[in-house]
Amino acid sequence: EAQVTQNPRYLITVTGKKLTVTCSQNMNHEYMSWYRQDPGLGLRQIYYSMNVEVTDKGDVPEGYKVSRKEKRNFPLILESPSPNQTSLYFCASSHGTGVYTEAFFGQGTRLTVV
Amino acid sequence: AQKITQTQPGMFVQEKEAVTLDCTYDTSDPSYGLFWYKQPSSGEMIFLIYQGSYDQQNATEGRYSLNFQKARKSANLVISASQLGDSAMYFCAMREPNTGNQFYFGTGTSLTVIP
Repeated sequence: EAQVTQNPRYLITVTGKKLTVTCSQNMNHEYMSWYRQDPGLGLRQIYYSMNVEVTDKGDVPEGYKVSRKEKRNFPLILESPSPNQTSLYFCASSHGTGVYTEAFFGQGTRLTVV
Repeated sequence: AQKITQTQPGMFVQEKEAVTLDCTYDTSDPSYGLFWYKQPSSGEMIFLIYQGSYDQQNATEGRYSLNFQKARKSANLVISASQLGDSAMYFCAMREPNTGNQFYFGTGTSLTVIP
């Protein structure tokens, strides 16, 4: 089954404790991205990647890191989480070329930083 | 400037009635794609419908249709014969090549279907 898998689904952590949210897709998509969703603000892009070893900042990259060492995986790293990073996070993937293919989303990760 | 604007934070519709959710976009690229997603209370993002900038006809998918007005840069989602299960957040999105084929999302519209 074609899917984007994020883990964990829920995470409560403390300020400053490094964490990683994993994202994996099995559709051989070139394009992968991370979004955070906050009430009234919609989905804001954190980072995106057009292919292996190619990553770029989105609209809200501060406090986040990503890596794309393999085509299927695109982990999101919070080196020192802060309470303002409490949010719902989505990973998505799509074919990289052209504007005609939709984004496939993971199930979301609800992160709470206390 | 916002790439995607959704001006209706919340909408109500009577069951079995039609409803239109507004979306305007901003791009100078002649080639772009427009998408609508549904997010029910369970949280997942569900792709509904796609419209390409060169498509001559409005896209339709079952009860969903996209009212594409290129000159006005609007891509409104029309849901016909609303059902209780249509209650959800709806997001409009755009993809354009001159910014690396990124997706841009609006702030969403919360739709409530009233029995």
